Amino acid sequence: KAGVTQTPRYLIKTRGQQVTLSCSPISGHRSVSWYQQTPGQGLQFLFEYFSETQRNKGNFPGRFSGRQFSNSRSEMNVSTLELGDSALYLCASSPEQFARSYEQYFGPGTRLTVT
Amino acid sequence: AQKVTQAQTEISVVEKEDVTLDCVYETRDTTYYLFWYKQPPSGELVFLIRRNSFDEQNEISGRYSWNFQKSTSSFNFTITASQVVDSAVYFCALSDGDDKIIFGKGTRLHILP
Repeated sequence: KAGVTQTPRYLIKTRGQQVTLSCSPISGHRSVSWYQQTPGQGLQFLFEYFSETQRNKGNFPGRFSGRQFSNSRSEMNVSTLELGDSALYLCASSPEQFARSYEQYFGPGTRLTVT
Repeated sequence: AQKVTQAQTEISVVEKEDVTLDCVYETRDTTYYLFWYKQPPSGELVFLIRRNSFDEQNEISGRYSWNFQKSTSSFNFTITASQVVDSAVYFCALSDGDDKIIFGKGTRLHILP
């Protein structure tokens, strides 16, 4: 089985712009979660989607949003980018709902740099 | 509130030595899950183990072993006979009734040849 794929792998944006990141889960996995990883804050949970519904959301401002499609592929969007949004954004898939209870399979991440 | 503490920020050991990575957690729930993930230089987190709060049995998988002790709220990870390929950042994580997963800050492990 192919692993979790994320596109693009690297992205450079300017403050104020918006960005969309994409994630394709492992075939058959219906739960997709997103995380932000920074040197200062570490790994932080953004949100989880299951069957096109957002199940849970971390403590991030409304500028961070996401969605999941019927084929389980997911996108996350960050609007009005700030310098502090520079991070590695990781997507993870899980075969079941309640990803907190199961192991997750992570993609390689998208490295976002905001200038 | 949930909390995961990995007090060791960075550890260096010589190849073939044993090394233990500490993880201490806090939660008010009786049902929770603990995880360990490995992040090699490539950046992709790799799942190592999951443990639920009702299963205190220690586990061994090859050179890896995990010691779960509810009495001290710890879930420590030991690598026996370390190898250079074990060099990575290791994360301990906790999820409980809050339906969110909290990761520790990670321990960067250097295995020196």
